[in-house]
Amino acid sequence: RKEVEQDPGPFNVPEGATVAFNCTYSNSASQSFFWYRQDCRKEPKLLMSVYSSGNEDGRFTAQLNRASQYISLLIRDSKLSDSATYLCVVSRSGNTGKLIFGQGTTLQVKP
Amino acid sequence: SAVISQKPSRDICQRGTSLTIQCQVDSQVTMMFWYRQQPGQSLTLIATANQGSEATYESGFVIDKFPISRPNLTFSTLTVSNMSPEDSSIYLCSVEGLAGRVDTQYFGPGTRLTVL
Repeated sequence: RKEVEQDPGPFNVPEGATVAFNCTYSNSASQSFFWYRQDCRKEPKLLMSVYSSGNEDGRFTAQLNRASQYISLLIRDSKLSDSATYLCVVSRSGNTGKLIFGQGTTLQVKP
Repeated sequence: SAVISQKPSRDICQRGTSLTIQCQVDSQVTMMFWYRQQPGQSLTLIATANQGSEATYESGFVIDKFPISRPNLTFSTLTVSNMSPEDSSIYLCSVEGLAGRVDTQYFGPGTRLTVL
């Protein structure tokens, strides 16, 4: 079983749609959680950190459920520019910095 | 915001040769890492580049194959040695400790390596 699992998709949605991505992690010692975005042939870019209290940044909302070891990302009012691969990322410890990446979920927003 | 650069951005190499990839940050950072992203796959950590000491390698990666240097807090190199086509991949450096964010990593633009 992979340490971080995501539905690879692709998710094909129309502009303006709301889409949700889910991610599960297996190591209960995981301490930090992130969503990164990766465009084709580009490096991953940090989208947002994920906190237990949930956090929102504009159209993006991230949730963490430590008891279920589950992370989610909600994108409202999808834009064409949201088309990318979204990577769920978990860190075991802030000190060692080791990031474990999910395989990514591909989103394609269509006009 | 800080700039992370990598050189070369891409290269095509012959089997059996070695390539050294450079990663430069325009401000001092606490941690630097090297990742590999094979075609169609997600990122896998190769090693943590430790300033002034030997790198810490992840399972499946060894120093003879991927020697790493980190002479100071802004620069690191990764060498891919005795290359084979299976080494064709994107190699990315990342840094931690930018702008005081101790638990967040930012990535360089990557080096796209093709081994013939």
